Amino acid sequence: DQQVKQNSPSLSVQEGRISILNCDYTNSMFDYFLWYKKYPAEGPTFLISISSIKDKNEDGRFTVFLNKSAKHLSLHIVPSQPGDSAVYFCAAFVQGGSEKLVFGKGTKLTVNP
Amino acid sequence: GAVVSQHPSRVICKSGTSVKIECRSLDFQATTMFWYRQFPKKSLMLMATSNEGSKATYEQGVEKDKFLINHASLTLSTLTVTSAHPEDSSFYICSARGGRGETEAFFGQGTRLTVV
Repeated sequence: DQQVKQNSPSLSVQEGRISILNCDYTNSMFDYFLWYKKYPAEGPTFLISISSIKDKNEDGRFTVFLNKSAKHLSLHIVPSQPGDSAVYFCAAFVQGGSEKLVFGKGTKLTVNP
Repeated sequence: GAVVSQHPSRVICKSGTSVKIECRSLDFQATTMFWYRQFPKKSLMLMATSNEGSKATYEQGVEKDKFLINHASLTLSTLTVTSAHPEDSSFYICSARGGRGETEAFFGQGTRLTVV
């Protein structure tokens, strides 16, 4: 049972445009969500996170939106840059619980110059 | 952000030998460390969770006798792949988190293991 789903395996956008990466989850106990960026043969790098008590968190070009009723979150990157091309993982966990991060399968973002 | 160092970044070993991978938190005390394995075109698969000073908790389907995890100090965890086989070839990644209330997990650079 996949508790965190990223239904789009890939996304291609033009440089300067907005990239929107989506993530759905099924476990209503999740109360903290994170986005990671990963280049091939490297470990994931933390990008941005959001607690379930918020519906939006912004950091520079990156904004994460959380819709708890829909169990959906999204990562917006604007403007997109070629260096943003990577695989993006959505992750979730229950604070104070097992604290295991549960990852989606990732979305490969390609930003074309 | 915090730094987690994983070593080695690449290792090639012969079938039947053992390989040790180290994961160090350089500027914080990691009470919990996680070991992941990434299969091609798949997500990160959590292998085990280790808390300093106690035995690791392995995920279902992960052989604890094959993947030995030691978390002897607050800054170091090791994963030893024993009697490695070619099917153990993969990308292994560790992550570390501080005490409860610390919500971010920081990842090492990963180790590409090739068993020949």
